[in-house]
Order: sequence, then structure tokens, then C-alpha cells
Amino acid sequence: GEDVEQSLFLSVREGDSSVINCTYTDSSSTYLYWYKQEPGAGLQLLTYIFSNMDMKQDQRLTVLLNKKDKHLSLRIADTQTGDSAIYFCAESSINNAGNMLTFGGGTRLMVKP
Amino acid sequence: DAGVTQSPTHLIKTRGQQVTLRCSPKSGHDTVSWYQQALGQGPQFIFQYYEEEERQRGNFPDRFSGHQFPNYSSELNVNALLLGDSALYLCASSPWEVLLNGYTFGSGTRLTVV
Repeated sequence: GEDVEQSLFLSVREGDSSVINCTYTDSSSTYLYWYKQEPGAGLQLLTYIFSNMDMKQDQRLTVLLNKKDKHLSLRIADTQTGDSAIYFCAESSINNAGNMLTFGGGTRLMVKP
Repeated sequence: DAGVTQSPTHLIKTRGQQVTLRCSPKSGHDTVSWYQQALGQGPQFIFQYYEEEERQRGNFPDRFSGHQFPNYSSELNVNALLLGDSALYLCASSPWEVLLNGYTFGSGTRLTVV
């Protein structure tokens, strides 16, 4: 079955880089996503990566994918207090019936001034 | 341009009751998915609707049912509520052709069963 694992908590100082890690088990996963959830809010899509890519960069965000180890990471450069939130990775295997996301349990990022 | 709109934002129900949650997708989106997020956990997929049909379903009992209307809006119905149904229910929408680009999520409906 599908399973997505994340560490529960990460604390960094403002201006440092944050690295949030995720492992997944479904070898047929073709797309992997990072979502951000702030208190009382829904999920905001930050970025996604195709399984045939190793890296994707989008401004302060860098996603690294190691397919062999089924490991995904999100690096946030120059972390700000506004980045404090819960970050979820999710995997998806699309088929003709649609697209179902399987989420990890989320990593709470706390940014200290 | 309004994003995904869910109503109500909060709801308190008694065990055994029935509840209906509503979702209006983002303009231009025709696919709606529902997720349940228990406190401290990641969202879990309930089902996905496209062209007014349930296309995929997660591991949820038949007490959970849904509907999609011709204007693409959707309802989630839960019968015979249990305490364990207390959660944040998230609606997400996307154009069917670009499901891979990820969904737009609403802010959710917080359901409390007492």
C-alpha cells in the first residue's frame, strides 16, 4: 500500500535554510507535491515535481527527489517567520479514473526570530 | 476570482445525525475532491467527482456519500455520524485535464461530533 512519512517538527532561526524531508513507498508514484497549511486555513500548493526529475527550483524553494531511495525534500532558503506552518508532502499516481493524493502526516516548521 | 468556497465553516452535530457539507470549485475547475483531515494528521482522500460521477474513492465507509451538480459544485454527505468523524473536511478542485498540476484547496469545514 501507499505510505508517506515525514518528521513531525523542525525549528530554525530566521534567515537560515530549512530542509523538510519525506519518504514514500509507492514506486508507481509519478508526481510528488509540497503543500503548506497555516493555522485555520486550507492547503496551499507550493510546488510539485515529476518523477523523471531530480530537482526543481522555484525562487526560495528547492525540491530534490531521489527515486532510488524514494526520498523527497523541500529546502526553503532564507527562511522567514511567515514560513512558519505545517508542510505536507503528497504523492500521486494518476490513472484514467483520476488523481488521488496520499499525504504524509505533516512537518510543523517553527521559525524563530 | 474566488477560489474554492466551502460552507459552513464550522458545524456541531450529535452522534447519529446526518450532515451535508458544500463546496463551490474555483472558476474554470470541473473536478472536485473531498479530503478528511483529523487533528494533527494529514488529509485523507474520500472521493473525487467529475462529470457528476464519482471517479475514485478512498477507504471510507458507505456512510460517506457525495454528489456533483451540473455547475460543478459538490456536496459531501455523512450519515449516522460517529465521534470519530470529527475533523476538518477539505474540498479541492482542479481542471480534469491538468489534475497533475495539483489542486486548489478550500479553507475547509470544521465538523465536531458530540
